[in-house]
Amino acid sequence: DTAVSQTPKYLVTQMGNDKSIKCEQNLGHDTMYWYKQDSKKFLKIMFSYNNKELIINETVPNRFSPKSPDKAHLNLHINSLELGDSAVYFCASSQTGGRNEKLFFGSGTQLSVL
Amino acid sequence: ELKVEQNPLFLSMQEGKNYTIYCNYSTTSDRLYWYRQDPGKSLESLFVLLSNGAVKQEGRLMASLDTKARLSTLHITAAVHDLSATYFCAVDESYNTDKLIFGTGTRLQVFP
Repeated sequence: DTAVSQTPKYLVTQMGNDKSIKCEQNLGHDTMYWYKQDSKKFLKIMFSYNNKELIINETVPNRFSPKSPDKAHLNLHINSLELGDSAVYFCASSQTGGRNEKLFFGSGTQLSVL
Repeated sequence: ELKVEQNPLFLSMQEGKNYTIYCNYSTTSDRLYWYRQDPGKSLESLFVLLSNGAVKQEGRLMASLDTKARLSTLHITAAVHDLSATYFCAVDESYNTDKLIFGTGTRLQVFP
């Protein structure tokens, strides 16, 4: 059983298109995240949700809209894709409230915008 | 704004050798993490360090935390090829938000 699963693994699309990446976790965690990893492997947080409530919203273009239908799911929708959006997007989850919580990452979605 | 820096960025080392990766961060934090990423793969949690002086060891890897110096180290003992990966440290910017700021990563290559 995959703890944090995201689909698709690869996404190749044209500029201007709209696309979505889905993420689900079966760990019972209450917080989920989206991270972006650029071509230099630099990881940056984009969003986090706690029990379907938006907690962290970094300076991300409005074209990116996260949606959390329930605490086990956090999807990422991207409108009007641009070349600079090409990156690997990682979903992650954690159980907040404790001192020893760590992030569990999904396998990543490699987005290529042509 | 919290900044997290690692060095070296790239490390090529021979099997059997020892080396240390350094992680410096700019503001006070009470939690530091180390992650491993294999090429094209996800990130795997290695260590969680929660207090000054914390030391954790797993196999050939040992991590330590000095919160006064704002420094964590990841020491590799007698490296083997299987340790080849990119290693990230990450610091919790705020206890209440669980916002992790990642370091730049250290790409480790171990050769025979």
